[in-house]
Amino acid sequence: RKEVEQDPGPFNVPEGATVAFNCTYSNSASQSFFWYRQDCRKEPKLLMSVYSSGNEDGRFTAQLNRASQYISLLIRDSKLSDSATYLCVVKEDTGFQKLVFGTGTRLLVSP
Amino acid sequence: DAGVIQSPRHEVTEMGQEVTLRCKPISGHNSLFWYRQTMMRGLELLIYFNNNVPIDDSGMPEDRFSAKMPNASFSTLKIQPSEPRDSAVYFCASSLMGTGGLTSYGYTFGSGTRLTVV
Repeated sequence: RKEVEQDPGPFNVPEGATVAFNCTYSNSASQSFFWYRQDCRKEPKLLMSVYSSGNEDGRFTAQLNRASQYISLLIRDSKLSDSATYLCVVKEDTGFQKLVFGTGTRLLVSP
Repeated sequence: DAGVIQSPRHEVTEMGQEVTLRCKPISGHNSLFWYRQTMMRGLELLIYFNNNVPIDDSGMPEDRFSAKMPNASFSTLKIQPSEPRDSAVYFCASSLMGTGGLTSYGYTFGSGTRLTVV
C-alpha cells in the first residue's frame, strides 16, 4: 500500500462548481499534512497546511480526519485558474520527518 | 528572495553521457532535497541533506546516481552513465528544519531540470 494515496482524476468541473478531493495516508502516527498545487510543467507550490481543526483560506477548505486517516480539500466557486494538479503531502513522524507526496489529483475547470 | 535556483532548465543528452544537475537552495535553509518526477511514479525522493550532510539516500536508484553538497549554498546531482529511463524532471527543494522537525511551511521547490536521455 502506498503511504499517501489519491484519486488521479481528472476531475472535470465547470466554472463556479464546488469540488472536493480526498487523500488517505497509511501512517497513523503522521502529525503534519499539506496540500501542494502543481501547474503543468511547473514546480509544486505549497497551497495550505492542514490543521486538526480544519482550516480555510478563501475559497479553499482543508479538513483532517485522523480516525479514518484521510485529508480533504474543498474548492468552492472554481475558477479557470484553479486547473492544476493537487498533491496531498504527509510528514513522516520519525527520523528527519521528511515529506511524502501523493501522486496528485488533476483538476480541469472549464468555462 | 530568489528562491531555489536550479540549472540547467533543460538537458538533452545521449545515453552513456554524464549529466550534472545543480541546485542553489534558499539562503538560511538547512535542508536540501532532490526529487525525481515522472508520470508513472510521481514525485520520488532521491536523497536529502541536513546541514550539508547526506541523511537518507535510500531513494537513489542505483550507483549511477550520486549527489554532493559541498557547502550550504550548492548541491549537485550527477548521473553517470545516463540511460533513457533516467528521463524525468528533477526537482531540488529546500527547507528550514528545527530540532522538532519540519517547519509549518513545508518545502520550497526549484523550477526543475527536465532531463531527456536519448
